[in-house]
Amino acid sequence: GAGVSQSPSNKVTEKGKDVELRCDPISGHTALYWYRQSLGQGLEFLIYFQGNSAPDKSGLPSDRFSAERTGGSVSTLTIQRTQQEDSAVYLCASSLQGQNYGYTFGSGTRLTVV
Amino acid sequence: AQSVAQPEDQVNVAEGNPLTVKCTYSVSGNPYLFWYVQYPNRGLQFLLKYITGDNLVKGSYGFEAEFNKSQTSFHLKKPSALVSDSALYFCAVRDTYSGNTPLVFGKGTRLSVIA
Repeated sequence: GAGVSQSPSNKVTEKGKDVELRCDPISGHTALYWYRQSLGQGLEFLIYFQGNSAPDKSGLPSDRFSAERTGGSVSTLTIQRTQQEDSAVYLCASSLQGQNYGYTFGSGTRLTVV
Repeated sequence: AQSVAQPEDQVNVAEGNPLTVKCTYSVSGNPYLFWYVQYPNRGLQFLLKYITGDNLVKGSYGFEAEFNKSQTSFHLKKPSALVSDSALYFCAVRDTYSGNTPLVFGKGTRLSVIA
């Protein structure tokens, strides 16, 4: 596609429910990243996929968080048993392979846990 | 470990005046440095990057940034600010020593340009 697409754009969920956030990267971008943006906290790295390599999960804050990337394209971030502190904007980005490439970001999913 | 600091949470500038948004970084090897801008309810948009070569990098919307290795800084500048420049600005770094690792972002600086 022309850009990185994220859905839904907004999600309100009850505490304890599971949520799935979707990211559709730019076609041909082999790297895909998930970040979390909380008020006053900047961007917190969550997980990184690169081609067929094992993902870098070092940023996931707890075992309630998981992500997968199917067929090297679409990615889903799953948060189980959501807590109020999970409320944030979840941003997905994709890029070409290589250190000198920056990211193209999606518009994000605003998650509110009530 | 790589890190980046944006020492100012908020910068206010009058329209037409020059603006500077500060960024300093820490890496083990050489840095790849990026600036992104975020408008309300939007994702981050790429402004410019420093990889190698000229220390002064020019980017989108009239912005530029100067890489200063001795001061480990990469401040964002624009000669004449516009009200439409009001947004949240993020500096990011990747350490070339660490391979193709994810970008590390600063906490962001909110720029407010006053008419």
